Amino acid sequence: EIVLTQSPGTLSLSPGERATLSCRASQSVTSNYLAWYQQKPGQAPRFLIYGASSRATGIPDRFSGSGSGTDFTLTISRLEPEDFAVYYCHQYGNSPGTFGQGTKVEIK
Amino acid sequence: QLQLQESGPGLVRPSETLSLTCTVSGGSISSSSFYWGWIRQPPGKGLEWIGSISYTGNTWYNSSLKSRVTISVDTSKKQFSLQLNSVTAADTAVYYCARVLRYFDWPLDYWGQGTLVTVSS
Repeated sequence: EIVLTQSPGTLSLSPGERATLSCRASQSVTSNYLAWYQQKPGQAPRFLIYGASSRATGIPDRFSGSGSGTDFTLTISRLEPEDFAVYYCHQYGNSPGTFGQGTKVEIK
Repeated sequence: QLQLQESGPGLVRPSETLSLTCTVSGGSISSSSFYWGWIRQPPGKGLEWIGSISYTGNTWYNSSLKSRVTISVDTSKKQFSLQLNSVTAADTAVYYCARVLRYFDWPLDYWGQGTLVTVSS
């Protein structure tokens, strides 16, 4: 199965700054089938991005996804207070679908 | 607005069977456009696929759990269920039900709030 490695483990930033989160796959992800989720403490994950770069319904355009093959990126252009959370990537191009271990974006 | 709600015991004894039900409201469970899935998250850890099911009963299971998992659906009640046999402490986790875009292990767009299941004697 594909192993997804997210980096950094923790990202310390201030509101208004740009966040760049990485997700690297152990092998190429078929059709760039890569999704991203946001999870806040005590809450279920929230669906953000699918197909590496398509935003889910209702997701603000400050969230953007990019990448292909084995290297993918989630970018938050300007951090809002509600964006501080843990972010997970999820590949679904190769069964079984797998998740990364998460990147925590915390307030600096 | 589609909503999903997990229900079931919060404590299960080792070697016994974990049983959870997810009730879907605010939308149809009987759509060929979606599957319905179970995912779990051990305390302080990441997410793990368990499996998913279509409204017609077609199932997909993660091979790591396949020998112990059964997922079923009851469209008349708008519910789908998870059974996990022979549980151990390693099965302690928050269990989520969710809607799967398209099928199998594809992205999950609507989630339940999650329910903590502890395996302990």
